[in-house]
Amino acid sequence: QKEVEQNSGPLSVPEGAIASLNCTYSDRGSQSFFWYRQYSGKSPELIMFIYSNGDKEDGRFTAQLNKASQYVSLLIRDSQPSDSATYLCAAYLNDYKLSFGAGTTVTVRA
Amino acid sequence: NAGVTQTPKFQVLKTGQSMTLQCAQDMNHNSMYWYRQDPGMGLRLIYYSASEGTTDKGEVPNGYNVSRLNKREFSLRLESAAPSQTSVYFCASSEISPLHFGNGTRLTVT
Repeated sequence: QKEVEQNSGPLSVPEGAIASLNCTYSDRGSQSFFWYRQYSGKSPELIMFIYSNGDKEDGRFTAQLNKASQYVSLLIRDSQPSDSATYLCAAYLNDYKLSFGAGTTVTVRA
Repeated sequence: NAGVTQTPKFQVLKTGQSMTLQCAQDMNHNSMYWYRQDPGMGLRLIYYSASEGTTDKGEVPNGYNVSRLNKREFSLRLESAAPSQTSVYFCASSEISPLHFGNGTRLTVT
């Protein structure tokens, strides 16, 4: 079992819709979770992090964490063509090892 | 402020050749990492260095060696390149969290 798993996608949504991305992790001791966005041919860039159960909102992005279910999600509201990218979920498995999921590719249709 | 700088950006090697990928960060971070990214596999950790003078294996260390030269620099060496090492390599650094990535090195082994 992979340490961090994401719904594989690809995910296609119309402009203005909500894109919903899901991620599960295997280590119940994980405490820190991150969402990175990666444009084609570029390096990953951090868009959200979440440490506590519940929701965390930043602009059009909302991260949700449920430690009991070992589940992290990312919602992108009012999706724009510029949101078309691969989204990587990541979790710290110990103090130093950040493990990534395989990524979900999102395409926003104009 | 350059952040994390990787060299070279592109490299083509023949099977059996050796090379060193260089990485330097100017953010005074203690931790540094080497990841490889292959299609459909996400980012996989090769080696990491929690602090100057320490290195540890990640998920896929076989065929690689690393050197934490000082606090700024963390190099990745391929002693005898194999076609399976064709990939995009990312260096990253962090202080507690999250990771800051370099722009990547695209390596092809023929």
